[in-house]
Amino acid sequence: KQEVTQIPAALSVPEGENLVLNCSFTDSAIYNLQWFRQDPGKGLTSLLLIQSSQREQTSGRLNASLDKSSGRSTLYIAASQPGDSATYLCAVRPIDSWGKLQFGAGTQVVVTP
Amino acid sequence: NAGVTQTPKFQVLKTGQSMTLQCAQDMNHNSMYWYRQDPGMGLRLIYYSASEGTTDKGEVPNGYNVSRLNKREFSLRLESAAPSQTSVYFCASSDGGLNTGELFFGEGSRLTVL
Repeated sequence: KQEVTQIPAALSVPEGENLVLNCSFTDSAIYNLQWFRQDPGKGLTSLLLIQSSQREQTSGRLNASLDKSSGRSTLYIAASQPGDSATYLCAVRPIDSWGKLQFGAGTQVVVTP
Repeated sequence: NAGVTQTPKFQVLKTGQSMTLQCAQDMNHNSMYWYRQDPGMGLRLIYYSASEGTTDKGEVPNGYNVSRLNKREFSLRLESAAPSQTSVYFCASSDGGLNTGELFFGEGSRLTVL
């Protein structure tokens, strides 16, 4: 069974520092990997989607990389701001069960002014 | 641009009562999903519908039923609510195909069962 792990569970950085969030998965047979942001009491907001054939995706200050062979994805957030404080989750869509995405438990990020 | 809309946002039930959570999407997506999110358990799939007219069980389907009413709407029903079903429920949708599948979530429905 696909397992998705996000380490660390929590992270605190000063404003302006770059954020590096990790996501690892055990089975490389995936269609895509998606990064989400969740604010307290809110739903998940899609940040970036990386297809299995891609190595990275970028949107503004966000960059996500995917290394399927090693089962890893990294989300980089440049020049962090207090508004980046949230929980970040990754999810993989397995090839053998397309509808059953596997989510990591998330990394809770606090950016201090 | 509403995206995925869930109703109600909050609900309190007594054990044994029934209720239906409604979900609608306006993105013309084929696939829709129901998840629950609990502290320490993460997001768990209850049911999903790959396309109109089909539904499949997820990781935690017991105690729930679903109806894919049409392409836009996917409802989740609790026939006899139990305290273990106290949770935040999220509906999501995505398009189909091999090289798409980006998932979009609603704002969630907070359910408390007393």
